[in-house]
Amino acid sequence: DVKVVESGGGSVQPGGSLRLSCSAFGFAFNRYPMHWVRQAPGKGLDFVSSINTDGRTKYYADSVRGRFTISRDNSKNTLYLQMSGLRTEDSAVYYCVQQFDGYSYDKWGQGTLVTVSS
Amino acid sequence: QSVLTQPPSVSGAPGQRVTISCTGSSSNIGAGYDVNWYQQVPGTAPKLLIHSNTNRPSGVPDRFSGSKSGTSASLAISGLQAEDEADYYCQSYDTSLTGSAFGTGTMLTVL
Repeated sequence: DVKVVESGGGSVQPGGSLRLSCSAFGFAFNRYPMHWVRQAPGKGLDFVSSINTDGRTKYYADSVRGRFTISRDNSKNTLYLQMSGLRTEDSAVYYCVQQFDGYSYDKWGQGTLVTVSS
Repeated sequence: QSVLTQPPSVSGAPGQRVTISCTGSSSNIGAGYDVNWYQQVPGTAPKLLIHSNTNRPSGVPDRFSGSKSGTSASLAISGLQAEDEADYYCQSYDTSLTGSAFGTGTMLTVL
């Protein structure tokens, strides 16, 4: 079965840290750029970060640059998002997505919820 | 953060045809980047509906079609069905963001 499964979300206080993980199954993980996309409660979709196939090229949204770090381990078919200096506005469901043709997002996981609150 | 503009809502009766517009700029759609469309039923993850402007992934009914012109794109849904009721988002690459730009989202109501 082709899928991605996110984990690592939870509740944290402002200024805290979390590490999200995304395990990929059923496809050649090391051949695809991967992204994190988030959705705040009741809001739209926002790009967070992307990483190329060998992990050397990374991009970040302005809102998270300097606080979040994306990485991947192709030997484990796993994508990560290390989040630090968390703010209340980072509260959202975080989705791990595979980049497909046309810079589209083909495979979506169920998402993992991050809640930042005091 | 949305840089692609969509109407907040559209509606139509079963069997009718509706279109959803997506307006961008010279840093995304107007720069020649492809437009993609997603369907999101509340409480679930988005699903890719159209990629590369006009292409439907396997399993997506041909009632859904996409088009692009200049700095805009459109999603058309014909033969509306109750199950089409969902939120729809457009998306494209944006050079100023060095990442994805998403649309503001459109809620489709089937009357």
